[in-house]
This record gives sequence, C-alpha cells and structure tokens, in this order.
Amino acid sequence: DTGVSQDPRHKITKRGQNVTFRCDPISEHNRLYWYRQTLGQGPEFLTYFQNEAQLEKSRLLSDRFSAERPKGSFSTLEIQRTEQGDSAMYLCASSLAGAGYEQYFGPGTRLTVT
Amino acid sequence: KQEVTQIPAALSVPEGENLVLNCSFTDSAIYNLQWFRQDPGKGLTSLLLIQSSQREQTSGRLNASLDKSSGRSTLYIAASQPGDSATYLCAVSPSSGNTPLVFGKGTRLSVIA
Repeated sequence: DTGVSQDPRHKITKRGQNVTFRCDPISEHNRLYWYRQTLGQGPEFLTYFQNEAQLEKSRLLSDRFSAERPKGSFSTLEIQRTEQGDSAMYLCASSLAGAGYEQYFGPGTRLTVT
Repeated sequence: KQEVTQIPAALSVPEGENLVLNCSFTDSAIYNLQWFRQDPGKGLTSLLLIQSSQREQTSGRLNASLDKSSGRSTLYIAASQPGDSATYLCAVSPSSGNTPLVFGKGTRLSVIA
C-alpha cells in the first residue's frame, strides 16, 4: 500500500490523558498536513510541514497540541491533557510541492475523550 | 478570509438520476480546487482536481467545472448509483498553493435503489 497511513485508527482516552498519533505520508511527498474534523463539518487545518520544517500553525492548535516531523518522513501529533472538546477525527494528508499540490488523505484517527 | 459554502447540505435522489452539487467560495484568488468523497467514519478520497487555469475536469461519470471569477464550482454526477452515496466535500487552495486547503461542510448524498 503506497497511500497515506495513520495509526491508530481509533483511540479512546480519558480526559486529562496525553495521546499521540502517527502519520506516514506517500514516500516521495515533501508536504504533510494535519486537519481536524468534527461531526457534520468539513476538515479544518491544524498545521503543515515541508520536509522537517513546520511552516504554519492554525490558531486552533492550542499550546496542548504539538506536531513534529523528524527527518522529513513520518509525523506525530501529540495532544496533552486531553479535553472532551478534542474528540474528533484527525486527518493527515500529503502532497508534492510544485506538482499541482494535490493532497492525498489518510484514513484518519478517530479520537474519543471520555 | 476564504469561506467555502456547499449547497445543498443533503440530497436524496433515485438511482439513475443525474445530479449537480454546488460549491461557492468568497475569494476568487485560488490556486486549485479539489472535490473529495468521504464515506461515513472514513478518510477523504480525492475525486477531481481543477487548477485555477482550467475550466473543467472529467473522470468517468464525474465532471467538475470551475468558474473562478464568479467563485463557483459544480460537480456533476451522471447516472447515479447507490454506491455513490457519501458526503462530497469541496476544498480550495489559496493563491500561491503554499497554504492549506479550506473546506466546505459537504453535501451528504443518498442514492436510493
């Protein structure tokens, strides 16, 4: 499978716990994006990387959220001290800069905070 | 600030019918526009990408058009099938291509056999 993969697919956690999600982009893609989607809404941008550099962060990305992309390959998104409002689908996408910027999405990680 | 609106929010049609989904955006300075399909609880599948210089793109029974000056795009689905039932999302990439996609809320389509 050469598409975007995400792990885990589902995560249930208790309020106050920390969680970490992983995204593996399409291998030759240098851009990686994180989005969050709540029920009935379109995805909203959180942050994106070009290679290992984090180029932009949304105001939605509070201090409890951090993302990394070491070595410009896979990326992790960590949420500290989770809140019930963090419950959502977290989507990862990748693209190749300069090649139309078409974004390809992974299957998402469904987070439920109880 | 770019805003994307999709109308209708939900649509139910009998199998075999041709249908049109609408997308509008407030800032015409876009780099490209993508249409996605999302099945319940799943990720997004890219259907069509239209660059700002293009007027339309076709893939099988799908045809997407773009009128950048009026801030509108349509997705035409011919001869709809029950397997087309899903949420369809429209997203625009702002002018330079260097910033992330801005999505609409989607149109939830049900095709009844």
